[in-house]
Amino acid sequence: NAGVMQNPRHLVRRRGQEARLRCSPMKGHSHVYWYRQLPEEGLKFMVYLQKENIIDESGMPKERFSAEFPKEGPSILRIQQVVRGDSAAYFCASSPTDRLTYNEQFFGPGTRLTVL
Amino acid sequence: QKEVEQNSGPLSVPEGAIASLNCTYSDRVSQSFFWYRQYSGKSPELIMSIYSNGDKEDGRFTAQLNKASQYVSLLIRDSQPSDSATYLCAVKGNEKLTFGTGTRLTIIP
Repeated sequence: NAGVMQNPRHLVRRRGQEARLRCSPMKGHSHVYWYRQLPEEGLKFMVYLQKENIIDESGMPKERFSAEFPKEGPSILRIQQVVRGDSAAYFCASSPTDRLTYNEQFFGPGTRLTVL
Repeated sequence: QKEVEQNSGPLSVPEGAIASLNCTYSDRVSQSFFWYRQYSGKSPELIMSIYSNGDKEDGRFTAQLNKASQYVSLLIRDSQPSDSATYLCAVKGNEKLTFGTGTRLTIIP
C-alpha cells in the first residue's frame, strides 16, 4: 500500500521562476493538506483540499500561491515568481474520508524548495 | 500566546530510561491530538493519536491527555538511540493540524 507520494523531492528555482509541487495521496484517501516548514521553524498549515474543491486556504499567502486537486491526477501547489523567502520544505498529507473528526493525517516525504 | 506549546529542548535521556515530552494547547474545543516524530531532513511520522482523556499505550509509547488542563504528553519507555529525533505535538481543529515547534530528544547510549 503506497504512502503519500510527492515530487520532485528537491527543486531549485531562481528568483522570479515558477515552482510546481505535486502530491498523490494514499490509496483510498481523498483529503489532501499542504504544510510548509521553514528552516528552524514549525510546520504551518497552508491549504486543505478535496477533489475539485478548496475547503480551507486560510494558511495560504494571499499572492503568488495557489493549489488545486483535480478530479484526475495529483494535487498541485503552485508558487509563482518565487522569492528567497519561499525556500522551505513543503509537505503534503492525506487522510481518509470516514470518521472525519478523528482522521489521522499521513505525510509524504516532502519537496525541498531552494530559491537562488 | 502560542496555540500549541512545547519545550524546544534539547532533552537528553540515558538509553533505557523514560523520556517524557509535554505539550499544552490553547483552543479548548480541540478534539484530536497527535504526536509525530521527525528525523532530521525527513518528513513527520505519526506515532500516536489520542482523542479521550486518560492514557493510551502502544508498545513503548504512552500518550496522555487531560482536556481540563489542556495538556498532552508522550512517554517513551526503554528509550533507544533510534528514538533520537524531534517530536512534534499536533492539535486538530477544523480539519487542519496546528503544530508545536517540537522537542528535540537525544538518547545517550
